[in-house]
Amino acid sequence: NAGVTQTPKFQVLKTGQSMTLQCAQDMNHEYMSWYRQDPGMGLRLIHYSVGAGITDQGEVPNGYNVSRSTTEDFPLRLLSAAPSQTSVYFCATRGKTGELFFGEGSRLTVL
Amino acid sequence: GQQVMQIPQYQHVQEGEDFTTYCNSSTTLSNIQWYKQRPGGHPVFLIQLVKSGEVKKQKRLTFQFGEAKKNSSLHITATQTTDVGTYFCAGRQGTSYDKVIFGPGTSLSVIP
Repeated sequence: NAGVTQTPKFQVLKTGQSMTLQCAQDMNHEYMSWYRQDPGMGLRLIHYSVGAGITDQGEVPNGYNVSRSTTEDFPLRLLSAAPSQTSVYFCATRGKTGELFFGEGSRLTVL
Repeated sequence: GQQVMQIPQYQHVQEGEDFTTYCNSSTTLSNIQWYKQRPGGHPVFLIQLVKSGEVKKQKRLTFQFGEAKKNSSLHITATQTTDVGTYFCAGRQGTSYDKVIFGPGTSLSVIP
């Protein structure tokens, strides 16, 4: 079992470019979420999904889009990247007792 | 909205010393979770507390949930270099089971 897989691990973008961070899981968890991590600010929830076809906003959703067409995948889209979106992004699923399982992270730099 | 705070932000200890991090919420929590993140790694689940006043132990780690369910603590006895990392508490926002809000974390350094 791979658990939660994020790609790419590293990405450099120019301001205004678009890209998609991929997240895939093989644990058959209904719940998936995206967090961003910035120094001194912990992990902030961007968007989450409680199942295929259902998404909702977290604490910091602006500038990000998500969709959930399958149980396994939960991509995060940046339509027009800004330097403020430079961060480490983590995808997480939720187990039966509520614990979160995180991927290894995607480090994004926007120039 | 709900805020989850942690103190201290950083802690440097000599190996063998004890360490405690505190987590405080502006609202009552339905439960609280603790995670550890090693440098360069991803957060890893440690434990979940649900009941008021609950205390749980994992070897040298002791977790406590406050009576009012608005605060929690993590205590490490006799720290080791393997304890290095950032410790996060996390709670559910309001009545939503699905919004898990993290504190800013406490970064622990252990001097051998």
